[in-house]
Amino acid sequence: DAGVTQSPTHLIKTRGQHVTLRCSPISGHKSVSWYQQVLGQGPQFIFQYYEKEERGRGNFPDRFSARQFPNYSSELNVNALLLGDSALYLCASRGAAYNEQFFGPGTRLTVL
Amino acid sequence: SQQGEEDPQALSIQEGENATMNCSYKTSINNLQWYRQNSGRGLVHLILIRSNEREKHSGRLRVTLDTSKKSSSLLITASRAADTASYFCATDARDKIIFGKGTRLHILP
Repeated sequence: DAGVTQSPTHLIKTRGQHVTLRCSPISGHKSVSWYQQVLGQGPQFIFQYYEKEERGRGNFPDRFSARQFPNYSSELNVNALLLGDSALYLCASRGAAYNEQFFGPGTRLTVL
Repeated sequence: SQQGEEDPQALSIQEGENATMNCSYKTSINNLQWYRQNSGRGLVHLILIRSNEREKHSGRLRVTLDTSKKSSSLLITASRAADTASYFCATDARDKIIFGKGTRLHILP
């Protein structure tokens, strides 16, 4: 079975632009979470979606938004990019609440 | 904010030795998970221990959980060069999973 997939792998944007990151969960997993990881730090929780509904939100500004589609894939959108948004964005899926999370390889976003 | 705090921040040991990492957290949890990350890539799930469990084993890994002290430890026995990585604990409480800053483990040949 394929693991969690994310696209694109790398992305370079300039300040003020908008970006969309995509994630496909493991087949059968209905929960998708997004994390931001800045170099040298642990992942910071951004959103959790389950059955297409937002179930949790971290301490991120409204420039960050996400959605989950009927096939359980997900998009993370970031508007008005800032230099500080440069990070590795990780997506994780799990089959049920409080089960193991499985991570994708991440999208490396660089904002210039 | 980060709930889990790993200790030490960095650890270097000789190949074959055991490595122990600790994690402390602040609020009630449903479970605690340990992950490994190599060179800024995606995280690999190692082990999950639920709040009603005290110890769990998986291969060379041993995890303990003390909910009264709000702490957990990860023991890697007979370390190998391939164990060189960053290790994170993550606390799972309701609708979010909170990661610590991680322990950077370096296995010396």
